[in-house]
Amino acid sequence: GQNIDQPTEMTATEGAIVQINCTYQTSGFNGLFWYQQHAGEAPTFLSYNVLDGLEEKGRFSSFLSRSKGYSYLLLKELQMKDSASYLCAVMDSNYQLIWGAGTKLIIKP
Amino acid sequence: GAVVSQHPSWVICKSGTSVKIECRSLDFQATTMFWYRQFPKQSLMLMATSNEGSKATYEQGVEKDKFLINHASLTLSTLTVTSAHPEDSSFYICSARDNGRESYNEQFFGPGTRLTVL
Repeated sequence: GQNIDQPTEMTATEGAIVQINCTYQTSGFNGLFWYQQHAGEAPTFLSYNVLDGLEEKGRFSSFLSRSKGYSYLLLKELQMKDSASYLCAVMDSNYQLIWGAGTKLIIKP
Repeated sequence: GAVVSQHPSWVICKSGTSVKIECRSLDFQATTMFWYRQFPKQSLMLMATSNEGSKATYEQGVEKDKFLINHASLTLSTLTVTSAHPEDSSFYICSARDNGRESYNEQFFGPGTRLTVL
């Protein structure tokens, strides 16, 4: 079967750095997405990785290792507004998104 | 660019009534749109893939006669929840793929519709 695993909840301090991991097993691979979702709102796109390596975009970076079925989202200089759920999603061979359950990130002052 | 709207944002209805939710791509054409449902503290669950001009493809366990999908144009897909019951109360989110970005598989999400069935 297809499976996306990510931690349920993480806590970090304002101004610090946090890394959210995601491991996957899917039928085919056409890229991995990270989305941010605040409570009661729709997801918003953060990053897309289809090749191995690190993609940096401002305070957020995303890493992919296809051979290991592994990705992480790195958030630097954490701000209170970063408190949200972070969803890892993999596009399979049918171009369907397979979603992880999301990681709730709690930022403390 | 790549904005997706949903209407209504929230709706409260009585059990047994039908509710229609619209999903529009405002500045791009979308041959393919997706309908998701999300229960509290759970991840998105794909209900169906909506294809312009053809029948929708439903995921296993989703009743196609209860959740009617119509994708009559390249910018509009509708989801009708027929004979809604309290267990249908959920957050319904649509997304769309930009035809002009076939090489990039990003889905653009609408703001979601919160349905409460009394």
